[in-house]
Amino acid sequence: EVQLLESGGGLVQPGGSLRLSCAASGFTLSSYAMTWVRQAPGKGLEWVSSISGSGAGTYYADSVRGRFTISRDSSKNTLSLQMNSLSAEDTALYYCAKGLAARPYYFAMDVWGQGTTVTVS
Amino acid sequence: DIVMAQTPLSLSVTPGQPASISCKSSQSLLYSDGKTYLFWYLQKPGQPPQLLIYEVSNRFSGVPDRFSGSGSGTDFTLKISRVEAEDVGVYYCMQSIQLPQTFGQGTKVEIK
Repeated sequence: EVQLLESGGGLVQPGGSLRLSCAASGFTLSSYAMTWVRQAPGKGLEWVSSISGSGAGTYYADSVRGRFTISRDSSKNTLSLQMNSLSAEDTALYYCAKGLAARPYYFAMDVWGQGTTVTVS
Repeated sequence: DIVMAQTPLSLSVTPGQPASISCKSSQSLLYSDGKTYLFWYLQKPGQPPQLLIYEVSNRFSGVPDRFSGSGSGTDFTLKISRVEAEDVGVYYCMQSIQLPQTFGQGTKVEIK
């Protein structure tokens, strides 16, 4: 069974940093594009960042480019999101999600984790 | 960025009755490979989104056949043939033809 388990969220002061992790099981992370999506309290879904299946391509929303870094550790089957210079606008539930197809640039997601909460205050 | 606009933003449906949600994109979602990259998700209360429909009209694994998707180009529709109590939540359309992937505002479906 494909599963994603996020961790690393928490309360951080403005200007601080956090590193989110997403442990994947039931599939090989490196075969799929992976994505982070966030949801601010009471709001809709916002794409944050994606990484291609090969890991060669990384992509960011304008709102986080230069502050966030997406990466993967194939040996641990884990996806990460390093978040720096955090502000109140980054407060949200952060989901990691798996690409639907085993194609390196197929970014649309099928399976989502339960999410990890980031609060910047 | 491609803007996704959903209507209505909320829907109250009697169990057993049909429901329909519209999603319009600001650009065509038809890619050069012949596929149209429009997806539908349902976020049930307190849960992460779950994929319902991919590439306009394909039901994802385990999705009941009362859900169907249609459309082309910039105009898409999600239909529920007979709404059940378990269908409550917020429905989102999403485009994946280009990054950033963008979502509609969401349509909240409740049961009368």
